[in-house]
Amino acid sequence: ETGVTQSPTHLIKTRGQQVTLRCSSQSGHNTVSWYQQALGQGPQFIFQYYREEENGRGNFPPRFSGLQFPNYSSELNVNALELDDSALYLCASSLDGTGGVLGGYTFGSGTRLTVV
Amino acid sequence: AQTVTQSQPEMSVQEAETVTLSCTYDTSESDYYLFWYKQPPSRQMILVIRQEAYKQQNATENRFSVNFQKAAKSFSLKISDSQLGDAAMYFCAYIPGNTPLVFGKGTRLSVIA
Repeated sequence: ETGVTQSPTHLIKTRGQQVTLRCSSQSGHNTVSWYQQALGQGPQFIFQYYREEENGRGNFPPRFSGLQFPNYSSELNVNALELDDSALYLCASSLDGTGGVLGGYTFGSGTRLTVV
Repeated sequence: AQTVTQSQPEMSVQEAETVTLSCTYDTSESDYYLFWYKQPPSRQMILVIRQEAYKQQNATENRFSVNFQKAAKSFSLKISDSQLGDAAMYFCAYIPGNTPLVFGKGTRLSVIA
């Protein structure tokens, strides 16, 4: 079975620009969650997609948006980038959003975003 | 607010020795799941061990075991016979009810040869 793949691995953007990050979920998983991990911090939940619908959101502004596609892959879009958006963005897939019950989440290796 | 506290930002252990990483959490839920994740320099979060709150027996996975004290809301990780490959950031996390993972700030573990 394939794991979770994220792209790109690194990128640098200028303040005010827009960015799209991509995530391919593990085979058989239909739920994708996105997390932001600032330097020296634990990951913070951004939002979750289950069967192409957003079904949970953390404390992030609307300029953070996402999509999930029929093959369960997902995108995270961030508009009007700010310096504080610099972080590692992690994607995690699970089955039916029940990561705790059915074996947990599978994480990707993340995208390191630097905003200058 | 649901929180996870890891009071040790950094820990070190001699190779082949035992180390314990501390974690406390705050929830009003009676049923939840607890996890320890390892994040090596490759950045991928790797599940080390998990515990269901309704189970009194402490989980064990090879050299890794937990001490789960539900009343005290404590969930520590013990690593026995530490190896150089154990060096990483360790995050305590939980799922309080039907919600996403809530993570602590992590503990950086160094293993000294």
